Amino acid sequence: AQKVTQAQTEISVVEKEDVTLDCVYETRDTTYYLFWYKQPPSGELVFLIRRNSFDEQNEISGRYSWNFQKSTSSFNFTITASQVVDSAVYFCALTQAGGTSYGKLTFGQGTILTVHP
Amino acid sequence: KAGVTQTPRYLIKTRGQQVTLSCSPISGHRSVSWYQQTPGQGLQFLFEYFSETQRNKGNFPGRFSGRQFSNSRSEMNVSTLELGDSALYLCASSLASFGGEKLFFGSGTQLSVL
Repeated sequence: AQKVTQAQTEISVVEKEDVTLDCVYETRDTTYYLFWYKQPPSGELVFLIRRNSFDEQNEISGRYSWNFQKSTSSFNFTITASQVVDSAVYFCALTQAGGTSYGKLTFGQGTILTVHP
Repeated sequence: KAGVTQTPRYLIKTRGQQVTLSCSPISGHRSVSWYQQTPGQGLQFLFEYFSETQRNKGNFPGRFSGRQFSNSRSEMNVSTLELGDSALYLCASSLASFGGEKLFFGSGTQLSVL
């Protein structure tokens, strides 16, 4: 069975602070994908990044960066110089690569990020 | 390119009734997945359809069913509604030639069961 744990339920920061969202996962699959999604108040889940289990290279995209460490089963997400518009619920998710996992993501419980002006 | 469209945005029903939710995927996407989101259980996978066939199913009772049409549009039906069915129902689409493709989500249908 797969499991994703986001231990931080809520995080509150002041604008321009850096913030890291933690994600720890469990899976027996040898190949898998990890995702981060953002859910603003409008409700839709917005895709941020997908990383496959073979690629442990960390990635930076603008103010966003991701740290994937297979040895500790973690896939953490950092926002640099946070902005009020970053306020949302952030979800980490996991799925088996290929196989019969069609459409099925296992989500963590989400982290509510509030950025104050 | 238009995103995933879900209708209606809000729905209020009473216990025992049934409800049908609709989802139009991104043009060209043939896979549609459905998720239920509640404060207590979080995001849970309901089922996935591709070319009018259900390929994957989550752990929900038979009251929850779906279908997909030849134009890839999908509907989800919940019969004999219970109070616990109150949730945000999210639909997602993808090209889905393999498991693990990124999903594009709609804004959801907020269902309230009274």
